[in-house]
Amino acid sequence: DIVMTQSPDSLAVSLGERATINCKSSQSVLNSPDNKNYLAWYQQKPGQPLKVLFYWASTRGSGVPDRFSASGSGADFTLTISSLHAEDVAVYYCHQYYATPRTFGQGTKVEIK
Amino acid sequence: EVQVVESGGDLVQPGGSLRLSCAASEIDFSNSWMSWVRQAAGGGLEWVAHINHRGNEKYYVDSVKGRFTISRDNGKESLYLQMNSLKVEDTAVYFCARGHYGLDSWGQGTLVTVSS
Repeated sequence: DIVMTQSPDSLAVSLGERATINCKSSQSVLNSPDNKNYLAWYQQKPGQPLKVLFYWASTRGSGVPDRFSASGSGADFTLTISSLHAEDVAVYYCHQYYATPRTFGQGTKVEIK
Repeated sequence: EVQVVESGGDLVQPGGSLRLSCAASEIDFSNSWMSWVRQAAGGGLEWVAHINHRGNEKYYVDSVKGRFTISRDNGKESLYLQMNSLKVEDTAVYFCARGHYGLDSWGQGTLVTVSS
């Protein structure tokens, strides 16, 4: 199974400041034939359905604000919130869909400092 | 409006059975892979199973193989998860989501509690 490891487990950031979440996979999720990274990022807020932020590692999901960006390739990926808003308080998960079983990172909790 | 609504969660004894349902609308259900993902209290997400649009390809996480069965009814735009021989460690909120390469259109989940 591909193990997804996120860091940090939690972080507290001041409003307007940058938040960066890292995700490492135990093996590459880059598919050579199509040159796509089979990785997605999700946001989970209490009482709300999970929301896909990015898929194919850096393709923004519908309605995702520009302050969110995602990058990386192979086995190392990053989700960045350039300027934290109060509504960004949530748990963020990376997810690989390169192989079955699909696996998720353990989650990173983002809070306001 | 996109809607994905899970139901069927309940308190059940170890060894018991439960059938979860997921009703979907406005998600092009009959042409979509569909997935079940679960989350134990205070824990992370665990992919459980997924099924292709025709219902003839099904994949499971090892911990549920032989006990859980995913199925679908495209005419009813519904996804199901038959859970047998339930264990305490199956206790979780179960989510239904559309997708094979990335998951969009998630539901709010339904709680399954396995306890004596």
